[in-house]
Amino acid sequence: EPEVTQTPSHQVTQMGQEVILRCVPISNHLYFYWYRQILGQKVEFLVSFYNNEISEKSEIFDDQFSVERPDGSNFTLKIRSTKLEDSAMYFCASNGQSTDTQYFGPGTRLTVL
Amino acid sequence: KNEVEQSPQNLTAQEGEFITINCSYSVGISALHWLQQHPGGGIVSLFMLSSGKKKHGRLIATINIQEKHSSLHITASHPRDSAVYICAVQFYGGNQFYFGTGTSLTVIP
Repeated sequence: EPEVTQTPSHQVTQMGQEVILRCVPISNHLYFYWYRQILGQKVEFLVSFYNNEISEKSEIFDDQFSVERPDGSNFTLKIRSTKLEDSAMYFCASNGQSTDTQYFGPGTRLTVL
Repeated sequence: KNEVEQSPQNLTAQEGEFITINCSYSVGISALHWLQQHPGGGIVSLFMLSSGKKKHGRLIATINIQEKHSSLHITASHPRDSAVYICAVQFYGGNQFYFGTGTSLTVIP
């Protein structure tokens, strides 16, 4: 069964460093999403992406964040200068139609020291 | 304000018990989703509802649009059902999910 994959599974970085989280959505999907979950809190929407551009973004998704689909398979989330409060589990999701359910990747746990 | 509330926050049940988890939301939605989050963090979609009722195995999900309320039922619960169950909604005009805080379920043998 097709699945969304994410790498790395765990990333440790120093405050102020740039990180890139990678996702490979399901191959025929067109809509892509990033969510994050701070430890002990609910999952929060960051950004959605369709047709090579951002379709929606939350207040969390400020100028420190960017997304890119550099090729036909990868979907990346970049945090330019990490802060301690960026420590969280980051989930990528995708779906084929906007009205379909979303398929989630296993997540990348980001730890900022 | 777009709020998604779940109850209870934590639930412990004996194996075989019938379980109900509730979700309520504050404004009209285009769809409601029930998801399962395993201890390792992975999120799996269980149901997508816009009206009525859906059943998959021992899981049943219902939604009452007028009352802005949904329930997830687990019949004949089993220890492998232990997980966090999350309600998430989509509002008209957007595709992103708005998540509830989740219900942590533990089923004891």
